[in-house]
Amino acid sequence: AQKITQTQPGMFVQEKEAVTLDCTYDTSDQSYGLFWYKQPSSGEMIFLIYQGSYDEQNATEGRYSLNFQKARKSANLVISASQLGDSAMYFCAMREGDSGGGADGLTFGKGTHLIIQP
Amino acid sequence: DGGITQSPKYLFRKEGQNVTLSCEQNLNHDAMYWYRQDPGQGLRLIYYSQIVNDFQKGDIAEGYSVSREKKESFPLTVTSAQKNPTAFYLCASSIAPGTYNEQFFGPGTRLTVL
Repeated sequence: AQKITQTQPGMFVQEKEAVTLDCTYDTSDQSYGLFWYKQPSSGEMIFLIYQGSYDEQNATEGRYSLNFQKARKSANLVISASQLGDSAMYFCAMREGDSGGGADGLTFGKGTHLIIQP
Repeated sequence: DGGITQSPKYLFRKEGQNVTLSCEQNLNHDAMYWYRQDPGQGLRLIYYSQIVNDFQKGDIAEGYSVSREKKESFPLTVTSAQKNPTAFYLCASSIAPGTYNEQFFGPGTRLTVL
């Protein structure tokens, strides 16, 4: 089973609208971290926002916020007032706790290709 | 400016040849990682290192090797045993291993096997 599922392969959004990118995750660990990265066409991965499993409040970073619903295992990224420069691939990723002795790395979803239209 | 550099940006290799991808960081980070990205896919972990002279296999380590002789350097060798090496390779680092600190990524190397 996939540990990170992003169900939207692609999205078209009008400039200045808000957009929600979906992410669901699967883990049996109580302690874990969730990350969102942006990948422009140039290829580099840009860190956007982080949510810890024990954080009671949803994370926010400027125009980015994370809608964290722990019981549903959902960590959706919300971008407010979208801009043309937001067009990119967006990846949700998870770092699980050490209960299973797993690798110290991130598990990524397959991404959502977001296109902002003028 | 602190950051991660990867070289070369594009690399072409003939079948049966080994090739080494460079990754250097000046962020003074302890942990370093190598990921592979195939078209339309997310990143998959190849190897990671939490400290100098130590490294661990990730999910897809077969056909790859690494070394960590210096804190700032984590080169990846793609060997002839890797059956489908054409991909985009990304190196990353984080300030400390085993934590939830974000990983910082380099610009990537695009490897094509001819």
